[in-house]
Amino acid sequence: DAKTTQPTSMDCAEGRAANLPCNHSTISGNEYVYWYRQIHSQGPQYIIHGLKNNETNEMASLIITEDRKSSTLILPHATLRDTAVYYCIVRVYTGGGNKLTFGTGTQLKVEL
Amino acid sequence: DSGVTQTPKHLITATGQRVTLRCSPRSGDLSVYWYQQSLDQGLQFLIQYYNGEERAKGNILERFSAQQFPDLHSELNLSSLELGDSALYFCASSVGSMGDRINTEAFFGQGTRLTVV
Repeated sequence: DAKTTQPTSMDCAEGRAANLPCNHSTISGNEYVYWYRQIHSQGPQYIIHGLKNNETNEMASLIITEDRKSSTLILPHATLRDTAVYYCIVRVYTGGGNKLTFGTGTQLKVEL
Repeated sequence: DSGVTQTPKHLITATGQRVTLRCSPRSGDLSVYWYQQSLDQGLQFLIQYYNGEERAKGNILERFSAQQFPDLHSELNLSSLELGDSALYFCASSVGSMGDRINTEAFFGQGTRLTVV
């Protein structure tokens, strides 16, 4: 799997947009970008994923650069409940068994 | 609620013992994944099963084994337990094997916290 690089931590004011960057400069053409988050030792929660195009769902938006070497997860109106570790993962299609390889993630702290 | 059920939630056992962790995937999901999360290691992939067959293996110790049954639930067996095996163990499930072009997401359970004393 392609390696990802994320900032160790970020702060965000409640109600503001949280923009979490991820670098994946070695990503290949068939590799998807996934985002998960983990709230204080709970099970990781799926947020969103994408291949080339920007994606949006009820939780967040995913912006992938044209060269696909980086992406940004956007939480449009962060709340205190969004405080968590956010993991950016690049997932490859191999046609067989697979896994999500978690890095160290970004600790997002949403404050009043 | 992700729909993935793990039991037990907490487990305390002594070194040298053997334990079994159980996972019930979401209805309709064929793939089950096991992860270990300890304080100093982060989330580590252990093993994946798809419809009863082993599909991928991570850094799973030889003292650990898993299986997926015909009803698709899975068990992770940990034997000859050591203090260092204390960790959170997560199970996740997905519709496909995640090698599918559909690239479906995986849903995680709430984990089993294992404490070896």
